Amino acid sequence: GAGVSQSPSNKVTEKGKDVELRCDPISGHTALYWYRQRLGQGLEFLIYFQGNSAPDKSGLPSDRFSAERTGESVSTLTIQRTQQEDSAVYLCASSSSGADTQYFGPGTRLTVL
Amino acid sequence: GENVEQHPSTLSVQEGDSAVIKCTYSDSASNYFPWYKQELGKGPQLIIDIRSNVGEKKDQRIAVTLNKTAKHFSLHITETQPEDSAVYFCAPGTALIFGKGTTLSVSS
Repeated sequence: GAGVSQSPSNKVTEKGKDVELRCDPISGHTALYWYRQRLGQGLEFLIYFQGNSAPDKSGLPSDRFSAERTGESVSTLTIQRTQQEDSAVYLCASSSSGADTQYFGPGTRLTVL
Repeated sequence: GENVEQHPSTLSVQEGDSAVIKCTYSDSASNYFPWYKQELGKGPQLIIDIRSNVGEKKDQRIAVTLNKTAKHFSLHITETQPEDSAVYFCAPGTALIFGKGTTLSVSS
């Protein structure tokens, strides 16, 4: 079946612009995660959605970052007023529930000039 | 919150040798222990996992061992091959916190 998809695959933007990154999880997966991975670094947790519960936003680095999820489907990560330090690969993952196998998308590579 | 430490950060082996990566965690309530492999330019992919009611699990050349008392679990790769070269991550418990990764290089 279809895996997790993310769009765009690459995004180049100018400092100060807003960007939206999209994630389509595996159908039926109630949990959805966003991570940031800087070049050569590990995965930095950003936000976690589980069903209809309030999302865990504890990993968002600043109020410029926000995310939404429509029911148990698509999620959008928005970064406002982008800064150069936001340049990274943004990975989305979904799982059938919390504490279970996460299936990752290919990521969106964001470059802020 | 969960503290996760992964060692070593880099590991270089000759083809055919074994490789062992260790992950230490702090949350004693953790009951799910996965290992992910990330190849260049791709998202991480699960290669093996174990739950807390089992001490060891094997899948061909890959195995995971769990010591709940000491709060660590390890990835074992035997007969390493060049295609095993990648970055490996552990993500115990709720999996919101990943280890910092181990870059494994297998030279032929």
